[in-house]
Amino acid sequence: EAGVTQFPSHSVIEKGQTVTLRCDPISGHDNLYWYRRVMGKEIKFLLHFVKESKQDESGMPNNRFLAERTGGTYSTLKVQPAELEDSGVYFCASSLGQGFHEQYFGPGTRLTVT
Amino acid sequence: LAKTTQPISMDSYEGQEVNITCSHNNIATNDYITWYQQFPSQGPRFIIQGYKTKVTNEVASLFIPADRKSSTLSLPRVSLSDTAVYYCLVGDSLYSSASKIIFGSGTRLSIRP
Repeated sequence: EAGVTQFPSHSVIEKGQTVTLRCDPISGHDNLYWYRRVMGKEIKFLLHFVKESKQDESGMPNNRFLAERTGGTYSTLKVQPAELEDSGVYFCASSLGQGFHEQYFGPGTRLTVT
Repeated sequence: LAKTTQPISMDSYEGQEVNITCSHNNIATNDYITWYQQFPSQGPRFIIQGYKTKVTNEVASLFIPADRKSSTLSLPRVSLSDTAVYYCLVGDSLYSSASKIIFGSGTRLSIRP
């Protein structure tokens, strides 16, 4: 069974540009999460989808970040316009159950904003 | 929210048993304890989860004393491939919002030949 996949693995963009990250969860997992780790900091929650609905987006840092999950399958996280402080690793995870159930993480997308 | 405290780093040698202890003094009645492992350039990977006493799987054992204010992840006979960061998380398994999941700094385990 395929795990959680993320694309691209690494993205380098200039400040002010737009970047879209993609996450494909494990098939059948209704719950999809986005996290990120900025340089030297801890992994932080961004938001949680249940199917196509945003269950919790309290971790989204500001309105430059937009997450979607059309059709309840894959999800995208768009950063527009990107700022230097957005650099970090963005992880996606999926799970069958909500809350604290076992989450399966993708390898992450390393975003570098110059 | 139950905050956790774990050692920043640990060193050991191949073939040894490694025990990583996590403190969670404010653990709530409904909280479970979960450990994740993270290798460089990968996302965290679930290792084990428990509520009380002892849980064992093919990878590790988790020991939780009666007061549940701490827990110990035990890795038997470690190898070089066990070098990773280990995170201890505490939360309500069924009802916690994902936003309450706190990874913390983790414990960086280094295994030497």
